[in-house]
Amino acid sequence: KAGVTQTPRYLIKTRGQQVTLSCSPISGHRSVSWYQQTPGQGLQFLFEYFSETQRNKGNFPGRFSGRQFSNSRSEMNVSTLELGDSALYLCASSRGGANYEQYFGPGTRLTVT
Amino acid sequence: KNQVEQSPQSLIILEGKNCTLQCNYTVSPFSNLRWYKQDTGRGPVSLTIMTFSENTKSNGRYTATLDADTKQSSLHITASQLSDSASYICVLHMDSNYQLIWGAGTKLIIKP
Repeated sequence: KAGVTQTPRYLIKTRGQQVTLSCSPISGHRSVSWYQQTPGQGLQFLFEYFSETQRNKGNFPGRFSGRQFSNSRSEMNVSTLELGDSALYLCASSRGGANYEQYFGPGTRLTVT
Repeated sequence: KNQVEQSPQSLIILEGKNCTLQCNYTVSPFSNLRWYKQDTGRGPVSLTIMTFSENTKSNGRYTATLDADTKQSSLHITASQLSDSASYICVLHMDSNYQLIWGAGTKLIIKP
């Protein structure tokens, strides 16, 4: 069974640009969550999508948005990039229930210059 | 005050030694408490998941315990190996809203 895949793995963008990251969950998983991790910091929750609906949202500005498609694939968009957005962006998929395990992808390393 | 606090922030031990990582939490009830291992630059990998009613769960050399009375969990690693060098993160999964509350993690370094 294929794991969670994220594309691209590495990305360099300039301040002010926008970026779209993609996450393909494990087959059969309906929940996709996005996290930001900066060096030395814990995971910061961005949002979770379940069956194409945003179910939970963290405390990030509106520049961060996401969506989920009918095949459960999810995209995250960051507009008007700032230097502080440089981070590892992780997505995780699960079947969706409270006791279900989350499986993480390898992450997308975003560098904003 | 953070709802999930982990200690120590970092720990260095010699290969072959045992160690215990702590997780104190303030929120309850919760659906389950999870411990993850995260290698540098990679996504976290689940080690154990314990429901509110469980008090111990093992996964090979990793043993997690949960004390609901003191609101503490610990992760014990026996006979440490160099590959155990990683961050270990404690996470609470809330009953009501499917949210996860992440600790900041303990960075463990195993020296030969």
